[in-house]
Amino acid sequence: KAGVTQTPRYLIKTRGQQVTLSCSPISGHRSVSWYQQTPGQGLQFLFEYFSETQRNKGNFPGRFSGRQFSNSRSEMNVSTLELGDSALYLCASSLASGSSYEQYFGPGTRLTVT
Amino acid sequence: AQTVTQSQPEMSVQEAETVTLSCTYDTSESDYYLFWYKQPPSRQMILVIRQEAYKQQNATENRFSVNFQKAAKSFSLKISDSQLGDAAMYFCAFGTASKLTFGTGTRLQVTL
Repeated sequence: KAGVTQTPRYLIKTRGQQVTLSCSPISGHRSVSWYQQTPGQGLQFLFEYFSETQRNKGNFPGRFSGRQFSNSRSEMNVSTLELGDSALYLCASSLASGSSYEQYFGPGTRLTVT
Repeated sequence: AQTVTQSQPEMSVQEAETVTLSCTYDTSESDYYLFWYKQPPSRQMILVIRQEAYKQQNATENRFSVNFQKAAKSFSLKISDSQLGDAAMYFCAFGTASKLTFGTGTRLQVTL
């Protein structure tokens, strides 16, 4: 069974631009969560989507948004990029919503904002 | 809000020896899960072991085991017979309602 895939793997953007990251979960998984990893703030939860609905949200500004499609694929969008948005963005999929379900992580998208 | 504390930024262990990584957490939740994740240089997060808070028995997974002390809110990871492939960042995480709260990580070095 294929694992979680994230595209693109690397991205360089300029301040003020917007970016869209994509995550394809493991087949059959319906929940997708997004995390940001930076050297300063560590790993932080962004949001979780299950059955096309946002179920949980972390403490991030409204510039960070996401959505999930009927095939469970998810996208994350960051508008008006800031230098501090440079990070590794990880997505994780699980069978369903809830911590009793193991989260499987993708390889991440490395975003650099210049 | 939950907090997870890993007080050891770096640890070192000799191959074949045993090492214990510490983790404490703070929460008012009663229903939660605890996890240890490994992140090698490839940056791929890999689940090492998980513990359901309602279970008193400590979880074990081959060479990996935990010491879960619920009253003390402590959740340490013991790696036995350490191998070179165990070298990585290890993150302790608290899980509730699909949200994982991570500690700052412990970098484990394995020496010959």
